Amino acid sequence: DAGVTQSPTHLIKTRGQQVTLRCSPKSGHDTVSWYQQALGQGPQFIFQYYEEEERQRGNFPDRFSGHQFPNYSSELNVNALLLGDSALYLCATSRTGEAKNIQYFGAGTRLSVL
Amino acid sequence: KQEVTQIPAALSVPEGENLVLNCSFTDSAIYNLQWFRQDPGKGLTSLLLIQSSQREQTSGRLNASLDKSSGRSTLYIAASQPGDSATYLCAVASISGSARQLTFGSGTQLTVLP
Repeated sequence: DAGVTQSPTHLIKTRGQQVTLRCSPKSGHDTVSWYQQALGQGPQFIFQYYEEEERQRGNFPDRFSGHQFPNYSSELNVNALLLGDSALYLCATSRTGEAKNIQYFGAGTRLSVL
Repeated sequence: KQEVTQIPAALSVPEGENLVLNCSFTDSAIYNLQWFRQDPGKGLTSLLLIQSSQREQTSGRLNASLDKSSGRSTLYIAASQPGDSATYLCAVASISGSARQLTFGSGTQLTVLP
């Protein structure tokens, strides 16, 4: 049973560019959440997708957008990259309706903006 | 708005020592609380999850407690080993709108000296 997989593992971009990060959920999971973790900080909630729609959003600008596909996989898109967008981006998946609400995390994508 | 604080930010102990990591949260309306381990540059590994109706969970040398009324949790590590060196993150699961999201603390960086 594959766990949560994220791609790519590392990415280097320059200011103003656009980036797309990908996440494949653990088998049986239908909900995908994205988190941004800056160096030395805890992860911060970006948004959550369920049934191909954004269900909730954290305090992030519209430059951050996402998508969920019918197979429950998800993409995170960031436009007009800023230096401050450099971070580890984590994807977490879960199964809606499960009482314990355990979220399983991928290994993350390390984004460096130069 | 839920806020999670972890104390201390960093801790260095000699091998074999028992230690306690602290986590506090501002809103007691939580579903569960989870402790994670994060090695440098890596994703999150779930250590223990305590449901809101529980008071503690144990796994091997780890014991986590939860006091919802006071908004506190502790992670107890017995007989620490150099392999325990990592950053430990506390996260609470709350409802925001229709989504369950995790709010993280900034972590405690633990170093166990041989």
